[in-house]
Amino acid sequence: SFVLTQPPSVSVAPGQTARITCGGKNIGIKSVHWYQEKPGQAPVLVVHDDTYRPSEIPERFSGSNSGNRATLTISRVDAGDEADYYCQVWDSSTDHVVFGGGTKLTVL
Amino acid sequence: QLQLQESGPRLVKPSETLSLTCTASGDSISSRSFLWGWVRQPPGKGLEWIGSISESGSTFYSPSLRSRLSMSVDTSKNQFSLKVSSVTAADTALYYCARHAKGRGDYEEGEEGERFFYHYYMDIWGKGTTVTISS
Repeated sequence: SFVLTQPPSVSVAPGQTARITCGGKNIGIKSVHWYQEKPGQAPVLVVHDDTYRPSEIPERFSGSNSGNRATLTISRVDAGDEADYYCQVWDSSTDHVVFGGGTKLTVL
Repeated sequence: QLQLQESGPRLVKPSETLSLTCTASGDSISSRSFLWGWVRQPPGKGLEWIGSISESGSTFYSPSLRSRLSMSVDTSKNQFSLKVSSVTAADTALYYCARHAKGRGDYEEGEEGERFFYHYYMDIWGKGTTVTISS
């Protein structure tokens, strides 16, 4: 089955840019979706289909996907962005949902 | 705006069956534009996909849970349900139901020729319910 690999943690200072990666074999041919999960809250979709943001998500959140890596970029990070972030794809070869292991974003 | 709410027993004994229902409000689950599914999160761990179901009852199950899993949909009640049999402590988790929207459409070559599919993603989630497996 398809495997998605995320770094366990990323740390960034307020006002800086955070980049969270999601690795997978030829992931660039898939659509990658990203979720933000804060403690005690359900996950929230922040990017779908590599680059598309739901209307309620700030423009500071953006995504890219090429080759063997997809990236969620959060610019001008603030304390409110501290959360766990998960990437997800639909594995068409098996018709299964696949999640990455998650990345904990810490704002220093 | 669609809202989803999980319901069911919070405590289940080992070897018994875990049963949860997700009730939708604000919109119908009869639309062919979506799948409906379940995700769980064991304490201190990441998100784990359990399975998904269409409005017509077509199911897609996680291979790790397939042998113990059953999902159903009741469009008349605007609900879909999950059953996990022979539960153990490893099934203790926060369980979410979620709507899967159709992402980008795509084609792939398979044994039976070209197949069209969607890159599904979860756009609306329930608040989640914690289920503990314990005697």
